[in-house]
Amino acid sequence: EAQVTQNPRYLITVTGKKLTVTCSQNMNHEYMSWYRQDPGLGLRQIYYSMNVEVTDKGDVPEGYKVSRKEKRNFPLILESPSPNQTSLYFCASSTRDRGFRDTQYFGPGTRLTVL
Amino acid sequence: GQNIDQPTEMTATEGAIVQINCTYQTSGFNGLFWYQQHAGEAPTFLSYNVLDGLEEKGRFSSFLSRSKGYSYLLLKELQMKDSASYLCASYNNNDMRFGAGTRLTVKP
Repeated sequence: EAQVTQNPRYLITVTGKKLTVTCSQNMNHEYMSWYRQDPGLGLRQIYYSMNVEVTDKGDVPEGYKVSRKEKRNFPLILESPSPNQTSLYFCASSTRDRGFRDTQYFGPGTRLTVL
Repeated sequence: GQNIDQPTEMTATEGAIVQINCTYQTSGFNGLFWYQQHAGEAPTFLSYNVLDGLEEKGRFSSFLSRSKGYSYLLLKELQMKDSASYLCASYNNNDMRFGAGTRLTVKP
């Protein structure tokens, strides 16, 4: 089954404790991205990756890091989480063929709370 | 930048037709996405318009006017399960910008 998986699905942590949210896709997609979703603000792109070893900042990259060492994985790293990073996070992937048509997939989401 | 505007909330009756509008700024525009998102779930892809005009997929249709920076999602024969948020997103080179979403409530 074609899917994007994220782990963990729920996480409560404390300020300053480094954490990683994993994202993996099994569709051989080139493009992967991370979003956060907050009430009234919609989805905002954090980082994206066009392919292995190619990453770029989105709208709200401050406080986050990513890496793309292999095509299927795109982890999101919070080196020193702060309460304003409490949010719902989504990973997404797509092929770049045919201009993304019919090929957008989102992971199930990770709800992060930073105390 | 890309400002995406769509109404915050809409209400419609089961069996009716509803149109959800979206306006965006056109600098570097490549295409326009619509997603459906039920509460607590991930967004699911509905449509992607690149060219002007109307594209129909069953009960859902999406329209784009590039010159006007305008799109709409048309939902026909509304069902209770269509109650969800509908997200408009513009694709600008490699950058995706989402609107805040329109929460649609379908009433019996």
